[in-house]
Amino acid sequence: NAGVMQNPRHLVRRRGQEARLRCSPMKGHSHVYWYRQLPEEGLKFMVYLQKENIIDESGMPKERFSAEFPKEGPSILRIQQVVRGDSAAYFCASSPPVGHEQFFGPGTRLTVL
Amino acid sequence: EDKVVQSPLSLVVHEGDTVTLNCSYEVTNFRSLLWYKQEKKAPTFLFMLTSSGIEKKSGRLSSILDKKELSSILNITATQTGDSAIYLCAVEGYGGSQGNLIFGKGTKLSVKP
Repeated sequence: NAGVMQNPRHLVRRRGQEARLRCSPMKGHSHVYWYRQLPEEGLKFMVYLQKENIIDESGMPKERFSAEFPKEGPSILRIQQVVRGDSAAYFCASSPPVGHEQFFGPGTRLTVL
Repeated sequence: EDKVVQSPLSLVVHEGDTVTLNCSYEVTNFRSLLWYKQEKKAPTFLFMLTSSGIEKKSGRLSSILDKKELSSILNITATQTGDSAIYLCAVEGYGGSQGNLIFGKGTKLSVKP
């Protein structure tokens, strides 16, 4: 049973470009969460999605960031017009219905030049 | 504002020592507290605690929740170099914050041979 998969593992973008981060949840998991980890900081919640629904996006910046979890395919975290401050590790987690532990993927390390 | 505070922030011990890591929290409508171990990749799940006073144990690791004191401890006995990692504590609430894990900054444990 494969774990949570994320790709790419490393992504380099220049300022102003778009970054697309992908997350495939564990088999049987229908809930996906995105977190951001800045250097020397803890993991910060960004968004919680179920298939075709955004449940909670309270941690997502209002501009440039969006997330989706379509009926088919992986969840996507999209960052438009990236800036240097977006450089961080972005982790995805998945779970069965809420109330169960979240399992994390290996993360995507985004570097903005 | 909901928050999770871990102590100490870092700890250096020798193999064979026993360590206790602390986590205190303030969260609206507490649901569960989780411990994760993070090496240079994905946080891996250790424990999920929902009830006060019931110890959870896995090998040399154990954890217990005290809802009265709004805190939890993670114990590691007979430490090994492979225990070196960042240990993360996270809390989940009910209602609006359901699914949104609030993480502490972690305790960085270094086990010397």
